[in-house]
Amino acid sequence: EIVLTQSPATLSLSPGERATLSCRASQSVSSYLAWYQQKPGQAPRLLIYDASNRATDIPARFSGSGSGTDFTLTISSLEPEDFAVYYCQQRSNWPLMYTFGQGTKLEIK
Amino acid sequence: QITLKESGPTLVKPTQTLTLTCTFSGFSLSTSGVGVGWIRQPPGKALEWLALIYWDDDKRYSPSLKSRLTITKDTSKNQVVLTMTNMDPVDTATYYCTHRRAAGSFDYWGQGTLVTVSS
Repeated sequence: EIVLTQSPATLSLSPGERATLSCRASQSVSSYLAWYQQKPGQAPRLLIYDASNRATDIPARFSGSGSGTDFTLTISSLEPEDFAVYYCQQRSNWPLMYTFGQGTKLEIK
Repeated sequence: QITLKESGPTLVKPTQTLTLTCTFSGFSLSTSGVGVGWIRQPPGKALEWLALIYWDDDKRYSPSLKSRLTITKDTSKNQVVLTMTNMDPVDTATYYCTHRRAAGSFDYWGQGTLVTVSS
């Protein structure tokens, strides 16, 4: 079973700053890597799929990169509404299953 | 416009079986490539994938919970049902129904339903 490890657990930044969130897989996940944003009391929202593709209506300040075992979510200039918890998620083929990282909390400094 | 909504009990007793229904609109589970999944989140904790059913009735389960889970679909009613047996307090969580985007991610989510396991 593939394990996803996100770092840091908490990231404290100010609006306007650049945020870099990491997701590392215990083995290669090909390109089936997604990122989600979750705000308190809300369902997660898909931000990035297939490692680097922005989902519908996601602002251009969100970008994803990486392949194999190391992936990054970058928020180029933080807006007040970006402070939330972010999860990475992968799909593996054998066995076919989906796993999530433990999350990174992005908080206002 | 795709929407999903979960329904079911908010409180179950230990050892009981949980049955959750996902009612969706905006897509058909008879269309090639479509999948509907269940994901849960204990209070204050991370997301955990539980199960997925495809348009062709292929079913996939989390290996750690496979013995307790059953997922079925009723295409005519636009519903997916998840049952989980032998509920335990550690199963207390918000349960989400999701639409699987092609390949490996979930692009639409229900609002979630909080299920508490307690005697």
